[in-house]
Amino acid sequence: DADVTQTPRNRITKTGKRIMLECSQTKGHDRMYWYRQDPGLGLRLIYYSFDVKDINKGEISDGYSVSRQAQAKFSLSLESAIPNQTALYFCATSDGDRVSNQPQHFGDGTRLSIL
Amino acid sequence: AQKVTQAQTEISVVEKEDVTLDCVYETRDTTYYLFWYKQPPSGELVFLIRRNSFDEQNEISGRYSWNFQKSTSSFNFTITASQVVDSAVYFCALSEARTSYDKVIFGPGTSLSVIP
Repeated sequence: DADVTQTPRNRITKTGKRIMLECSQTKGHDRMYWYRQDPGLGLRLIYYSFDVKDINKGEISDGYSVSRQAQAKFSLSLESAIPNQTALYFCATSDGDRVSNQPQHFGDGTRLSIL
Repeated sequence: AQKVTQAQTEISVVEKEDVTLDCVYETRDTTYYLFWYKQPPSGELVFLIRRNSFDEQNEISGRYSWNFQKSTSSFNFTITASQVVDSAVYFCALSEARTSYDKVIFGPGTSLSVIP
């Protein structure tokens, strides 16, 4: 079983719809992240969370919201999807404190298409 | 300004050739971490290496090697005797002490194609 699981893996939806992407992890890590990947731009950070009560905006948070329901679950919502949010979305986790930076472990990605 | 530059968008090599993927970073921190990740055609992201700013020793892991040079702000990745399975997009990334290392900044990626 994957350590970081994203659902759904693929989603096609229409402009204006509300979408939720879910991420769960079995690694026991405190820190979780949501990224989007666009061709030629690499990965850009949307939101990140250190624990259930600590959520922070990343580089491109506009149009997105998140919820950290438990240590193991971190969901990303698009309240009213628009076509330029079509992208590959990754959830990631990492261990460690703020002194050192452990590598991030990624889920397999969710391919989201908004028509 | 882009903090992590991977100037090579796409590279094609013939199997068994050596190939170097370039990464140039920009930071004002003296303490930071650099990473390389691999994204094969299946889409997942695979961690390859982490290096902190105080450790400039080059590292070798099998056919992979990394050359970290603070003087030129570069962290280049070389694959020796490339194989078809090395075909992937490779990302270089940076995290800085001033952001408590939480905001990992990825480069745009280099797409490597290894031709049989």
